[in-house]
Amino acid sequence: GENVEQHPSTLSVQEGDSAVIKCTYSDSASNYFPWYKQELGKRPQLIIDIRSNVGEKKDQRIAVTLNKTAKHFSLHITETQPEDSAVYFCAASRGGSYIPTFGRGTSLIVHP
Amino acid sequence: EAGVVQSPRYKIIEKKQPVAFWCNPISGHNTLYWYLQNLGQGPELLIRYENEEAVDDSQLPKDRFSAERLKGVDSTLKIQPAELGDSAVYLCASSFGTGELFFGEGSRLTVL
Repeated sequence: GENVEQHPSTLSVQEGDSAVIKCTYSDSASNYFPWYKQELGKRPQLIIDIRSNVGEKKDQRIAVTLNKTAKHFSLHITETQPEDSAVYFCAASRGGSYIPTFGRGTSLIVHP
Repeated sequence: EAGVVQSPRYKIIEKKQPVAFWCNPISGHNTLYWYLQNLGQGPELLIRYENEEAVDDSQLPKDRFSAERLKGVDSTLKIQPAELGDSAVYLCASSFGTGELFFGEGSRLTVL
């Protein structure tokens, strides 16, 4: 089955800095890569996703890049704000069945 | 529009007792997932339903866990008997087939 590795487990930045979270996956058939944000005590919510037919996708301050050859994808957050503090999960799945396998999560702390 | 609704939000039981969790997905979502989330970990799939059919249940410990989705709408996840190691958050999610999962708030189980 799919195996998703996520790094780092904790990331501490100053407000205004950029943050990068990296994930690798094992199943070359995976073609859908969502990122979820989970605030403390809240439900995970999708913030951005990318499909294997593109290499990069942006949405305001967040962007995701995908390297299919290396089986590697990353989340980039620019101009971080305190409200970006949360746990971020990457995931990988095959399109069609959409059974995401999640990484272990990255706790992002943005200091004012 | 109402999101995915789960109950109870919190449950504390003695070991060997039974417990049940209920999930009401978003209207029209045919796919329903139950995930287990341990502290500091990403969600792990327990079972996935397409309408009322369980299509992925290989990760469900069938000696003590059971699930059902009657009429392809609401779902119930049961544990009998509960063990100390079952303490976790049980997340329900639903989807209409495009990849994004919509999660409920989760049911936090503590087994004493």
